[in-house]
Amino acid sequence: SQQGEEDPQALSIQEGENATMNCSYKTSINNLQWYRQNSGRGLVHLILIRSNEREKHSGRLRVTLDTSKKSSSLLITASRAADTASYFCATDTGRRALTFGSGTRLQVQP
Amino acid sequence: DAGVIQSPRHEVTEMGQEVTLRCKPISGHNSLFWYRQTMMRGLELLIYFNNNVPIDDSGMPEDRFSAKMPNASFSTLKIQPSEPRDSAVYFCASSFRGGINEQFFGPGTRLTVL
Repeated sequence: SQQGEEDPQALSIQEGENATMNCSYKTSINNLQWYRQNSGRGLVHLILIRSNEREKHSGRLRVTLDTSKKSSSLLITASRAADTASYFCATDTGRRALTFGSGTRLQVQP
Repeated sequence: DAGVIQSPRHEVTEMGQEVTLRCKPISGHNSLFWYRQTMMRGLELLIYFNNNVPIDDSGMPEDRFSAKMPNASFSTLKIQPSEPRDSAVYFCASSFRGGINEQFFGPGTRLTVL
């Protein structure tokens, strides 16, 4: 399996609910990044968390990192229909190129 | 800033033809990446340049694929000859100092090989 795998593969929630996505990886990392991709568009960077950080916030986004479990989670609070997209985690293992997971498809129902 | 610029946005060609995809990274970024995205294989890194020098091309699928970066503001990805299995969306991304920082993606080129 790949470095950086998201779980679940797909998630459907109602507007206003929170959405949680998880990412697991296999090797040591320098940082972990989350990206969003709207249908037919390029990826957009959301947040970067370094290996010595445990939690980071950006607006309605909260990211946690547990290096002992080699896992990260992305929480989107008070979701909106506009949050509908695919979300990818990406790891920097020191190769200076990121390795992307397969993504979580989030559908927010209005 | 215009962001990462890719051209063309869509390309339809016939098997055996040469295809050239183009990318202009964000000014000041010294790392450039080419990715390929398909439903089956997800997002794959094809090649990575740092300061115009190819650092990691282990993701380039075959000799039919080649990439160049003649200067800091331009890169090409060429497929010759193209095959139907090359059909995918090809993204170019740039960053400052590789994976240490965030990558900025272009809008992608959707390639269809008939």
